[in-house]
Amino acid sequence: QLVESGGGLVQPGGSLRLSCAGSDFIVSDNYMSWVRQAPGKGLEWVSVIYSGGTIYYADSVKGRFTISRDISQNTVYLQMNSLRAEDTAIYYCTGSRNYFFQYWGQGTLVSVSS
Amino acid sequence: YVLTQPPSVSVAPGETARISCGGTNIGTKSVHWYQQRPGQAPVLVIYYDTDRPSGIPERFSGSNSGNTATLTISRVDAGDEADYYCQVWDSGSDVFFGGGTKLTVL
Repeated sequence: QLVESGGGLVQPGGSLRLSCAGSDFIVSDNYMSWVRQAPGKGLEWVSVIYSGGTIYYADSVKGRFTISRDISQNTVYLQMNSLRAEDTAIYYCTGSRNYFFQYWGQGTLVSVSS
Repeated sequence: YVLTQPPSVSVAPGETARISCGGTNIGTKSVHWYQQRPGQAPVLVIYYDTDRPSGIPERFSGSNSGNTATLTISRVDAGDEADYYCQVWDSGSDVFFGGGTKLTVL
């Protein structure tokens, strides 16, 4: 299981850190991604950290978001800076050992508004 | 890389639903499908074009050739009403979703 936390309401330009804790799931053995879904919209991939540690970002968040993991805490993080209204979405943590999204968390809502 | 899905598909109960996912030479790529019921997280229903995760009914199947991948749901029932998304993971940073298809069971 994957359990996200850290969502909430933040002003434009603000920061937020999302967490994704694995339960009976070893995050460091998997490709861990964040996928978001704006209200009433489709799915959008945000970032991935591979089991080997390589990291990639979608162009829409590059330079503003940082993905990381803490192996001792079995947790993946998404640090989100310089937030914009268009970042408003449900953020899902996902994990897999392959190039698809096998396991999903329940999602955490991020709202960017003044 | 653009994945094109029809916004909506409607079928009667007991009939077969086919949801397409178009992309240039998509037949050369691996396509995965997700079901998302209202208010819930997505669920993987087909991976690597044709494989079903454990727990997904045999009524769900997939195919992929040329410029179109297809998710087929046979003997559709009300519980299948959901949004369906196709997805391609081309390389390290090239991850794409289709726009989603809303399946309505009449």
